[in-house]
Amino acid sequence: DAGVIQSPRHEVTEMGQEVTLRCKPISGHNSLFWYRQTMMRGLELLIYFNNNVPIDDSGMPEDRFSAKMPNASFSTLKIQPSEPRDSAVYFCASSNHIIGNTIYFGEGSWLTVV
Amino acid sequence: AQTVTQSQPEMSVQEAETVTLSCTYDTSESDYYLFWYKQPPSRQMILVIRQEAYKQQNATENRFSVNFQKAAKSFSLKISDSQLGDAAMYFCAYRSPSAGNTPLVFGKGTRLSVIA
Repeated sequence: DAGVIQSPRHEVTEMGQEVTLRCKPISGHNSLFWYRQTMMRGLELLIYFNNNVPIDDSGMPEDRFSAKMPNASFSTLKIQPSEPRDSAVYFCASSNHIIGNTIYFGEGSWLTVV
Repeated sequence: AQTVTQSQPEMSVQEAETVTLSCTYDTSESDYYLFWYKQPPSRQMILVIRQEAYKQQNATENRFSVNFQKAAKSFSLKISDSQLGDAAMYFCAYRSPSAGNTPLVFGKGTRLSVIA
């Protein structure tokens, strides 16, 4: 089975530009998580969805960040406008409905904002 | 809110030797799930081992085992016969058993170096 698929793997963009990160969860998984990893702050949960519904977006840093999950097989994380401090690795992860089951991660999207 | 603490930012081990990475957590829940993830330089997050809090038996996966002390809220990872490929960041993580899926809460990580 294919794992969690993220795109793009790497992106370099200029400050002020819009960035869209994409994620395809593992088929059959009903929970999807977006994490951000930086040296300073480690791994932070940004938002997560259950059955395509956002459950907790308290980790979204500010209004420049938005996330959607229009269906069970696709999610986006958008940053508009981007700033240099948004440079990080963004992970998408998914899990099935079984309580406490393993969360599987994608390979991450490395974002650099210059 | 739950917190996870990894008190060792960096560790090193000689190839073929054994190393233990520490993790403590804080929770008021009686049932939960604990994980160790490995992150090599590629940044991929790879599950190493998983422990259910209601199980007294410590989980093992080949050369990897845990020492789960529920009363002490401690969850250490032991790597036996260390190999060069074990060099990575290791993250301890907690997951609540709440109805509906819940996210992982991560520690800050321990960077493990393996010396040939």
